[in-house]
Amino acid sequence: QQQVRQSPQSLTVWEGGTTVLTCSYEDSTFNYFPWYQQFPGEGPALLISILSVSDKKEDGRFTTFFNKREKKLSLHIIDSQPGDSATYFCAASKGSSGNKLIFGIGTLLSVKP
Amino acid sequence: EAAVTQSPRNKVAVTGGKVTLSCNQTNNHNNMYWYRQDTGHGLRLIHYSYGAGSTEKGDIPDGYKASRPSQENFSLILELATPSQTSVYFCASGDGTGGTGQLYFGEGSKLTVL
Repeated sequence: QQQVRQSPQSLTVWEGGTTVLTCSYEDSTFNYFPWYQQFPGEGPALLISILSVSDKKEDGRFTTFFNKREKKLSLHIIDSQPGDSATYFCAASKGSSGNKLIFGIGTLLSVKP
Repeated sequence: EAAVTQSPRNKVAVTGGKVTLSCNQTNNHNNMYWYRQDTGHGLRLIHYSYGAGSTEKGDIPDGYKASRPSQENFSLILELATPSQTSVYFCASGDGTGGTGQLYFGEGSKLTVL
């Protein structure tokens, strides 16, 4: 049973376009939602994160949105670049579980020039 | 710069053999984790530790053991390897409290069980 559902599994966008990745979850006690970026042959690395007390966090071209009522979150990448081509994972954890993160299945993003 | 190193980076094992994957972190983080990554499943937590001498079962612990002999080192042990354990394994460290905080991942260990 997937506790964090992520879509789409793969996505191709043109350079300069906007990328939108989405995730949903069931457990209402999740309160921390990071996004990790993984390039081929490397381990995942934190890209951006948001706490459940916020609905939006921005970092340059990357913005994550959180909707507590619908239990959904999304990652938007504006002006997508070929260097953004990677696998993106959303994740969730609870306040009582340390860093025990539950990951989605990931989205393989390809940005075409 | 946070540093998590894994060894070996690549391993080919035979069915029924014993495999040990090692992880070392220089971040002085209390928490360490072992995940496996498979297409269609993402990253799944196998075992984790909150400090030296402690190990906890994650979501998919069957067929795996873990050992945390020191703050810096965390090993994943497959006593009787099976082909279904062919995967890429990632170790991570973190020092978050209250469920937040960044995880720092190693570069992964690719295991093939024949």
